[in-house]
Amino acid sequence: NFMLTQPHSVSESPGKTVTISCTRSSGSIASNYVQWYQQRPGSAPTTVIYEDNQRPSGVPDRFSGSIDSSSNSASLTISGLKTEDEADYYCQSYDSSNLHWVFGGGTKLTVL
Amino acid sequence: EVQLVQSGAEVKKPGESLKISCKGSGYSFTSYWIGWVRQMPGKGLEWMGIIYPGDSDTRYSPSFQGQVTISADKSISTAYLQWSSLKASDTAMYYCARLANPTSFDYWGQGTLVTVSS
Repeated sequence: NFMLTQPHSVSESPGKTVTISCTRSSGSIASNYVQWYQQRPGSAPTTVIYEDNQRPSGVPDRFSGSIDSSSNSASLTISGLKTEDEADYYCQSYDSSNLHWVFGGGTKLTVL
Repeated sequence: EVQLVQSGAEVKKPGESLKISCKGSGYSFTSYWIGWVRQMPGKGLEWMGIIYPGDSDTRYSPSFQGQVTISADKSISTAYLQWSSLKASDTAMYYCARLANPTSFDYWGQGTLVTVSS
């Protein structure tokens, strides 16, 4: 079993760039794809990044994903921040050894 | 258009049973796994379990094994999450989500709020 650890919160100003990290506790971050979900208050989650760095149609290219094997972590980067980006963001991956799906604890993004 | 529509909010007493539903439409229901995710008040997302409606193959998170039952009725494109004896700690929002590939969820239901209180 592994865990995905995210910062509890991040904040940045409109127009700036923010990066949210997601660190895998054991096993390689590259061994299974990482997804990122956005959850606005009172709404269901929606996918903003899948398969490490792919954007679903309709997600602006201000959102990008990457993985870094040296730090065993994934990152979600949002550029040109807008107030509408204020939300909780969750990373998620798959534990193929146990056939389980794992979520990170979530990061609250404040755009102020 | 792919849609997952969940049943409405429930208010129950401790010890009561409950079955909530998630109806899929706009795609081949039997060809995609459906997962269930819990979100307790003010907390994060927790994967509970998953079912393949095509053959009802089901897997549970160790945290939820024995606590809930996941099932599906492919004839009506509906997945279910049920409890035999609710506890106050089951109070949460529950989401169903379609598994797009072996690792990621692409479409989510709107959520079902379950409140358990005496």
